Amino acid sequence: SQQGEEDPQALSIQEGENATMNCSYKTSINNLQWYRQNSGRGLVHLILIRSNEREKHSGRLRVTLDTSKKSSSLLITASRAADTASYFCATSYSGGSYIPTFGRGTSLIVHP
Amino acid sequence: GAVVSQHPSRVICKSGTSVKIECRSLDFQATTMFWYRQFPKQSLMLMATSNEGSKATYEQGVEKDKFLINHASLTLSTLTVTSAHPEDSSFYICSARGQGMSYNEQFFGPGTRLTVL
Repeated sequence: SQQGEEDPQALSIQEGENATMNCSYKTSINNLQWYRQNSGRGLVHLILIRSNEREKHSGRLRVTLDTSKKSSSLLITASRAADTASYFCATSYSGGSYIPTFGRGTSLIVHP
Repeated sequence: GAVVSQHPSRVICKSGTSVKIECRSLDFQATTMFWYRQFPKQSLMLMATSNEGSKATYEQGVEKDKFLINHASLTLSTLTVTSAHPEDSSFYICSARGQGMSYNEQFFGPGTRLTVL
């Protein structure tokens, strides 16, 4: 499967703590994107990192990409209860149709 | 930012009936729309890709006669689940990509929860 796989599947933390989610994939990619989904809702795009980039920041979000290990991580710093959601990585493959392929997601719960 | 809406947000139907789900791009022209389905605690699985004015391209394993997709205008695509059965119960999400947008960009609708009794 070309799907990315997130790890852990579920993460429960206290408000103020940092949350780290990982994504591994199998083949060469053009880019990797992280999305957020609140329960029963659509997806919100968080950040895109290209295959020639190693790190990107957006507010409290920090994404890293290690193409040699075929993995990415999403770090949410100083988490808030409102960050409670599922987080998905989506990969677009080199030579593919550029339609992102989604992993199964990490369910994050931030306790107030 | 670009907004995509879906209607209805929830629908409950009896087995054997057909259900139509609409996906609209509200402030841009969507040259391409994508339909996904998502089972509880699972990933989004791409069902089909539709380009305005042409037939949809279905992913392997998706029955085109069961999931009818129409993309008749640059702001509207519809997914009709024909002769729905309980196993079709799922969360259906559309996304859209517009003219001039990067191939990386797609904007997602809020999803439609289909329950087939």
